[in-house]
Amino acid sequence: AQSVTQLGSHVSVSEGALVLLRCNYSSSVPPYLFWYVQYPNQGLQLLLKYTSAATLVKGINGFEAEFKKSETSFHLTKPSAHMSDAAEYFCAVSGLEGAQKLVFGQGTRLTINP
Amino acid sequence: DSGVTQTPKHLITATGQRVTLRCSPRSGDLSVYWYQQSLDQGLQFLIQYYNGEERAKGNILERFSAQQFPDLHSELNLSSLELGDSALYFCASSGDGRGVGEQYFGPGTRLTVT
Repeated sequence: AQSVTQLGSHVSVSEGALVLLRCNYSSSVPPYLFWYVQYPNQGLQLLLKYTSAATLVKGINGFEAEFKKSETSFHLTKPSAHMSDAAEYFCAVSGLEGAQKLVFGQGTRLTINP
Repeated sequence: DSGVTQTPKHLITATGQRVTLRCSPRSGDLSVYWYQQSLDQGLQFLIQYYNGEERAKGNILERFSAQQFPDLHSELNLSSLELGDSALYFCASSGDGRGVGEQYFGPGTRLTVT
């Protein structure tokens, strides 16, 4: 079965520092991969998606992610953190065997220190 | 604003009761998905409807049921409620149901069972 593992339930960085949120998936076939962000008391907003085109995917708010098949990873990065980036981030996969449902990782709570 | 609407925003009810959550997808989207977000289980896929028909089922309890109406809005019915059903329930929608496109999430309904 597909699964997604996000390493680190909490990540804390200083404002202006690099943000790196880790995601690994388990699948024998490269799936479709997504990163979503959830701000407090809100729904999930799509940051970016990988659907077998370019391996480096650029998203909204300055985030990007790189698909590495050899490492089965899809880590999310942002060069310079902003206070407004504080939120929970979810990695998700879909598409195996034609299934469209999203399978989510456990989430990573990002805290930005001033 | 994702274009997906959910009502009500909050719901407080007692054990044993039945509630109905409503979702209107983005204009033109034919697929509706329901997810449950809880502290212990994380984000879990419940069920998917496509153009009025059930397309996929996840970890949905027998006490729960859903349907999608001709105008494409969907309802999730939860009955014989238990304390453990307290969670955030999200609805998401996506396009034509053929590809694996991104899903757009509503703001959620927070259900509290007392």
